[in-house]
Amino acid sequence: DGGITQSPKYLFRKEGQNVTLSCEQNLNHDAMYWYRQDPGQGLRLIYYSQIVNDFQKGDIAEGYSVSREKKESFPLTVTSAQKNPTAFYLCASQPRQTNSPLHFGNGTRLTVT
Amino acid sequence: DAKTTQPPSMDCAEGRAANLPCNHSTISGNEYVYWYRQIHSQGPQYIIHGLKNNETNEMASLIITEDRKSSTLILPHATLRDTAVYYCIVRDYSNTGKLIFGQGTTLQVKP
Repeated sequence: DGGITQSPKYLFRKEGQNVTLSCEQNLNHDAMYWYRQDPGQGLRLIYYSQIVNDFQKGDIAEGYSVSREKKESFPLTVTSAQKNPTAFYLCASQPRQTNSPLHFGNGTRLTVT
Repeated sequence: DAKTTQPPSMDCAEGRAANLPCNHSTISGNEYVYWYRQIHSQGPQYIIHGLKNNETNEMASLIITEDRKSSTLILPHATLRDTAVYYCIVRDYSNTGKLIFGQGTTLQVKP
C-alpha cells in the first residue's frame, strides 16, 4: 500500500541533543511538508519542499533543519537551538497537481527532557 | 492564502447529520476549500475539497455558498467514530507552498 511512514512514533531525547525525525513516502509525490502540533493547537508549518534538493522555510523554521536528497525522503532535524522541541510532528506529501490534497503520516511525538 | 473561521466545538447526536460551518470571507477566485479531520494522536485525514460547485464523496458533502464566502461540511449520518477535530482550509491552486491550518472545530458525536 502507498503511504507516508514516519518513524519512530514516540521519541525521547535529553535537552541539548539534536534528533532527526524520519519521513518516507512511496506515493511518488513531488512536494513534502513538515508541521508541528502542540496540545490543543492547529498545525504550524516548519519547512516544505516542492522538489528534490530544494526546500523553503515555513512559519516556524528556527531551530530546525531539513534535507531533500531523494524524492521519497524528507528528514527533519530538531536541533538544540529549538527552545521548545517537545511536540507532535507531522509529515505530509502532495502530488505535482497543485489542487490535490495533502497526504499525512501518523506523526512522531517527540519528548525532550 | 485566505484565513478561515470555524466554531471551536460542536455536538451531534449519533445517526444525525453533522453540519460543520466555515467562514472564508476573503477567499479569492483561485482558492479551493479543503476539509480534513484529525483523530487524537493521528495524522489529519483528507475528507473533501471543492472550488465553486457542491461536492459529494463517500465520506461527506461540501456545500459552498454562491459568493464562496462560506461553506458547510455535511456528514450525513454521524457515528461515534466521526468524533474528531475538523479543519477547513482555503488554498490557491497555483500556490504549491504553504498550507495554513487553523484551530479547527472539535466535533463530539454523542450516543
